[in-house]
Amino acid sequence: AQSVAQPEDQVNVAEGNPLTVKCTYSVSGNPYLFWYVQYPNRGLQFLLKYITGDNLVKGSYGFEAEFNKSQTSFHLKKPSALVSDSALYFCAVRDFDTGGFKTIFGAGTRLFVKA
Amino acid sequence: GAGVSQSPSNKVTEKGKDVELRCDPISGHTALYWYRQSLGQGLEFLIYFQGNSAPDKSGLPSDRFSAERTGGSVSTLTIQRTQQEDSAVYLCASSLAVELGNQPQHFGDGTRLSIL
Repeated sequence: AQSVAQPEDQVNVAEGNPLTVKCTYSVSGNPYLFWYVQYPNRGLQFLLKYITGDNLVKGSYGFEAEFNKSQTSFHLKKPSALVSDSALYFCAVRDFDTGGFKTIFGAGTRLFVKA
Repeated sequence: GAGVSQSPSNKVTEKGKDVELRCDPISGHTALYWYRQSLGQGLEFLIYFQGNSAPDKSGLPSDRFSAERTGGSVSTLTIQRTQQEDSAVYLCASSLAVELGNQPQHFGDGTRLSIL
C-alpha cells in the first residue's frame, strides 16, 4: 500500500535560517508526490509536485523539494525562512494501488518561524 | 468564482440533526474530493467524484454519511443524525481529470461543523 510519513510533528527555525520539513514515502511504482501548506482557518494550498524529471523541484513562495529515490524521501526546503512561512505543511502521494484517484496525506508538520 | 467555494463556513447544530454541506468546485474541474480534518490534524479521505460518479465510497465513516454531485459541478455532503464525533472541519477539493494522477488539488476553506 502507498503511504507517506512526516516524522516531525513540529519544526522550529529562526527567521533567515534555512528550513527543512521531512517527508518519506512508500509506493509500489513511480511516485507522484505533492506538498501543500495550510494557514489557520484556510484550506490547503498547493506548493509543488514531483512527477518525473529533475530531482529538485521548485514551487511557490520560494519553496523547493528534493526527490531522492534511494532514500524514498521528498523533503521540503527553503533557503531563508520567513515568519509568514509559519503554517501546517502536508506531504502527499497519489495512491495508484486504488487507481490513482486517491491522494494520501501525511499527518502534517507544523512549522514555527521565530523572528 | 476563481476558487473552490464551500458553504456554510461554520455550522453549529444539535446532536441528532441532519446537516448538509455544499461544495462548488472550480469550473471545468471534473474531479471533486471530500476530506475531514479534526483539530488541525491530518486529512481523512471521505469520497471522490469523477463527474457525477463516485467510484470510491470506502472512506465514508458510516451509513449516516452520503454525498452526491449533480451536473458535474456542485456537490453536497449530508450527515444524518449527527453525533458529537462528527465535529470537524470538512474540506472539499477539486482538480482536473483525476485519471491523470499528476494534477494538484485545489481546496476550499472548509466548513467547520460543531455538534452540541
